[in-house]
Amino acid sequence: EDKVVQSPLSLVVHEGDTVTLNCSYEVTNFRSLLWYKQEKKAPTFLFMLTSSGIEKKSGRLSSILDKKELFSILNITATQTGDSAVYLCAVALTHYGGSQGNLIFGKGTKLSVKP
Amino acid sequence: NAGVTQTPKFQVLKTGQSMTLQCAQDMNHEYMSWYRQDPGMGLRLIHYSVGAGITDQGEVPNGYNVSRSTTEDFPLRLLSAAPSQTSVYFCATGQGGKTQYFGPGTRLLVL
Repeated sequence: EDKVVQSPLSLVVHEGDTVTLNCSYEVTNFRSLLWYKQEKKAPTFLFMLTSSGIEKKSGRLSSILDKKELFSILNITATQTGDSAVYLCAVALTHYGGSQGNLIFGKGTKLSVKP
Repeated sequence: NAGVTQTPKFQVLKTGQSMTLQCAQDMNHEYMSWYRQDPGMGLRLIHYSVGAGITDQGEVPNGYNVSRSTTEDFPLRLLSAAPSQTSVYFCATGQGGKTQYFGPGTRLLVL
């Protein structure tokens, strides 16, 4: 059975801290791994990773994929209260139901950043 | 450019009632999908479509129907609502193998 596991499930830090969120996966026909941020409503897209060892960066957020060890990490440096959210990891499978867009999600990591 | 829109935002149904959740996009994306999000379960795929006239089942399709007559619209129908269908429903679109845009969600309560 395909699965995506995120850890920790929740995390409380103070502003300015650096955090690392983990995502491991066991799937057949891996195509890509995606990270989303979910505040009160819809998930918003952060990164898509397809190749091992290539870091994606956007401001204080960065992510990297290890296809040999089957995991990805999402780093957030100098955290701010606005980073408080649930961070979702998802894996897209090649030919899953015939589409490359279908995702298997982890349960998310709830990050709380205290002032 | 509204992106992905969903209606209604919130709905209460009685067991056995039917209803349609609407999803529309104005980005001309071929790929559209429906997910449900439940506490402790994460997001799970219900149905998806890779273009007008083409739909298929996801992980949890039972009790739901979809159709795709146009590129823009992808409605989700609940045939006979059950309390187990109480959830938050998200419509999502994408292109190039990347599910990038989610609608604001519909919160459904089945009594």
